[in-house]
Amino acid sequence: DTEVTQTPKHLVMGMTNKKSLKCEQHMGHRAMYWYKQKAKKPPELMFVYSYEKLSINESVPSRFSPECPNSSLLNLHLHALQPEDSALYLCASSHMDRGLSYGYTFGSGTRLTVV
Amino acid sequence: KQEVTQIPAALSVPEGENLVLNCSFTDSAIYNLQWFRQDPGKGLTSLLLIQSSQREQTSGRLNASLDKSSGRSTLYIAASQPGDSATYLCAARLPGYSSASKIIFGSGTRLSIRP
Repeated sequence: DTEVTQTPKHLVMGMTNKKSLKCEQHMGHRAMYWYKQKAKKPPELMFVYSYEKLSINESVPSRFSPECPNSSLLNLHLHALQPEDSALYLCASSHMDRGLSYGYTFGSGTRLTVV
Repeated sequence: KQEVTQIPAALSVPEGENLVLNCSFTDSAIYNLQWFRQDPGKGLTSLLLIQSSQREQTSGRLNASLDKSSGRSTLYIAASQPGDSATYLCAARLPGYSSASKIIFGSGTRLSIRP
């Protein structure tokens, strides 16, 4: 298995809703990432987990709450979002090594619309 | 501030032409550089990964080069086809972060191949 699987592919939610995005990989990667991408812009890093521990939080608002229950699964819990949070949310994973020689594998993303 | 720049932002060429996409980065202590392809509304597909110790990588009609001393990478596409139309992103893995590291994306080149 060489894929990162993201569900759902599309999500529409109201500003008072609570929802979760899910990301799964079975490549043995011990680093997992959440990115946010607005139209015609490059992906922006949100969170990094390494060995199931949060290692980087790029000053993301608390209405976004990441969780890494195990080495294969990464969740992003959403609560009280704003319309400007509408974007493509991408999950990625990579191996961990001192030489940082490994590349990233991205999922196909979740298209989120906040109404 | 570490930056990755891609020029041009958009490119339109007739089918069959060979073309070069450019990526420049500000830190020569790069670990690796990865080229991605993104179709509209989709995730990122990895095309080529070049390690800091390598000069180039090839996959089919694609060839990517890396020159650390000048801070440049190029993606060469031979005999372009309409199916090559997409946004191409380069991403540099740079030092200065935790063991999980992070990659810095360029803003992308939107490529259109005219039949």
